Amino acid sequence: DAKTTQPPSMDCAEGRAANLPCNHSTISGNEYVYWYRQIHSQGPQYIIHGLKNNETNEMASLIITEDRKSSTLILPHATLRDTAVYYCSRGYQKVTFGTGTKLQVIP
Amino acid sequence: SAVISQKPSRDICQRGTSLTIQCQVDSQVTMMFWYRQQPGQSLTLIATANQGSEATYESGFVIDKFPISRPNLTFSTLTVSNMSPEDSSIYLCSVGPGGFGNTEAFFGQGTRLTVV
Repeated sequence: DAKTTQPPSMDCAEGRAANLPCNHSTISGNEYVYWYRQIHSQGPQYIIHGLKNNETNEMASLIITEDRKSSTLILPHATLRDTAVYYCSRGYQKVTFGTGTKLQVIP
Repeated sequence: SAVISQKPSRDICQRGTSLTIQCQVDSQVTMMFWYRQQPGQSLTLIATANQGSEATYESGFVIDKFPISRPNLTFSTLTVSNMSPEDSSIYLCSVGPGGFGNTEAFFGQGTRLTVV
């Protein structure tokens, strides 16, 4: 989805927080923001989702700006196993995917 | 949650032929979705498969090329017709968010198609 954009790649030191930004400036009022990751072209793995409020689960935190035009996925303590392509997505009944960010966690 | 099984997991096909991909879900769902992921690219939605009605295709995808069946609430097929090397991709089946968006979408492991 060309309307959901992400930086193509990022590096993060192991043990540090990884902050992955996403721009979804044309998101509709009822569309959720979802984050998935994909490792070695397997099926996408769900991470977290939210509508307006910030969300946290055992994997990550999701920060959504007040105007909902952008969001940030935070992996609090990145490990080598977090190396993957991260997709910011949006949807209500169907999900459309953003361009993806390849995150490389460095020892 | 939903468990999605796709068959085949991979295939190598000759150009000009067709391949049908099967998707089985372990629970009844209203909407199923088919995605294509070209090499090195993000996932692109092909169509929504609705039980009891024709599939709804996204811009750039047509029924003649990607016919879809949805015979019941747990099964769907996607056919890639008259294949060319440009159809080499991973094709993924998905069950969309339930509860008006407030749950996750689930994905199968995909079918890796190579057209030679």
